[in-house]
Amino acid sequence: GESVGLHLPTLSVQEGDNSIINCAYSNSASDYFIWYKQESGKGPQFIIDIRSNMDKRQGQRVTVLLNKTVKHLSLQIAATQPGDSAVYFCAENPSWGKLQFGAGTQVVVTP
Amino acid sequence: DTGVSQNPRHKITKRGQNVTFRCDPISEHNRLYWYRQTLGQGPEFLTYFQNEAQLEKSRLLSDRFSAERPKGSFSTLEIQRTEQGDSAMYLCASSSNMGDTEAFFGQGTRLTVV
Repeated sequence: GESVGLHLPTLSVQEGDNSIINCAYSNSASDYFIWYKQESGKGPQFIIDIRSNMDKRQGQRVTVLLNKTVKHLSLQIAATQPGDSAVYFCAENPSWGKLQFGAGTQVVVTP
Repeated sequence: DTGVSQNPRHKITKRGQNVTFRCDPISEHNRLYWYRQTLGQGPEFLTYFQNEAQLEKSRLLSDRFSAERPKGSFSTLEIQRTEQGDSAMYLCASSSNMGDTEAFFGQGTRLTVV
């Protein structure tokens, strides 16, 4: 399944499929980006980060892609599991020391 | 648990009352942040400390809000004369001083103003 962030705030994906969550960031001066996962009633949890001198970074089951030309960030989750159900936020740092968050995408994993 | 700790987890208060929240960051982290999050939205930056110095404050932080980090360790966020619009989750995060690094969040304090 694939989401375009603010335009499709809920992404429904079948267990075992790959998920793609998209994010358009706003500030061309941002040079550091993070994806966070937030479960209900909990604080955001770090997933993966990427600096502006990179286009791609891989973690365990997750890949972040950065396209600075169009100011676009995506998070790919491989083999989505029920425990991946949460709200996912991208965050950028428009200035030193501060993170600016997007509105988030709700991911719902169905059996 | 060596993560970011916030207290209390939940606070219900009457409009007009003052409330104070506490955040204990990860011990070796110099930077401490406060964010506010309302339902269905991403966290919004409120303020940021480098050790005990408050380096930036958002325009969201009205004069009823004050944050301190007196010894560069724990921090408090006080809201005076609370309003219903202050109802939100207040999140604290900390990060190290080594350039841009990930910020680790606490579980938040959920404030309900009735």
